[in-house]
Amino acid sequence: DTAVSQTPKYLVTQMGNDKSIKCEQNLGHDTMYWYKQDSKKFLKIMFSYNNKELIINETVPNRFSPKSPDKAHLNLHINSLELGDSAVYFCASSQMLQGQKAFFGQGTRLTVV
Amino acid sequence: DQQVKQNSPSLSVQEGRISILNCDYTNSMFDYFLWYKKYPAEGPTFLISISSIKDKNEDGRFTVFLNKSAKHLSLHIVPSQPGDSAVYFCAASARTTGTASKLTFGTGTRLQVTL
Repeated sequence: DTAVSQTPKYLVTQMGNDKSIKCEQNLGHDTMYWYKQDSKKFLKIMFSYNNKELIINETVPNRFSPKSPDKAHLNLHINSLELGDSAVYFCASSQMLQGQKAFFGQGTRLTVV
Repeated sequence: DQQVKQNSPSLSVQEGRISILNCDYTNSMFDYFLWYKKYPAEGPTFLISISSIKDKNEDGRFTVFLNKSAKHLSLHIVPSQPGDSAVYFCAASARTTGTASKLTFGTGTRLQVTL
């Protein structure tokens, strides 16, 4: 009964590959996010979707493409992976009116070799 | 341009004593502040928050203080317990700018509560 679940938890892949991370929330929230925590531990927002509509798109390379098939799912596709993409990616969700109190998934540690 | 700063990367406190974690911000548009707690291999979990119209918010052993003029907030944990050992992230948002859902995080402070 995990509130925000993302898969896989670990992902090791070679440079140039394309990979996806899936996220699902069962909290009934209307807003979902992707955050990235880099090697320096900075946790930064990448994207936010509200009711399947993109509302926040930070300066992320267009190799990163989020897709929200419905309110409960927000997947992250990454094309042509680069070494610098290695990080922990966190999915989160919230209710828009309580946007600040986001619930986070356990994270996906992506390692590009 | 780091708008939320936690200048102490680590803090060690004895069990039963008070833990004080500090956070500074530079963006005057921030009007809502939160603390998240993170254990290894887990996502951050919400701990406590405070609106800019208040200067203090308390929840059990956790109290957050906000000093708007100094652009500073702090989290007090008293008494500290071994289970409080984790990384604590300060976060801020600017609800009035229409990006209420965007959280800006600090780099975290690792708290170690010793026996």
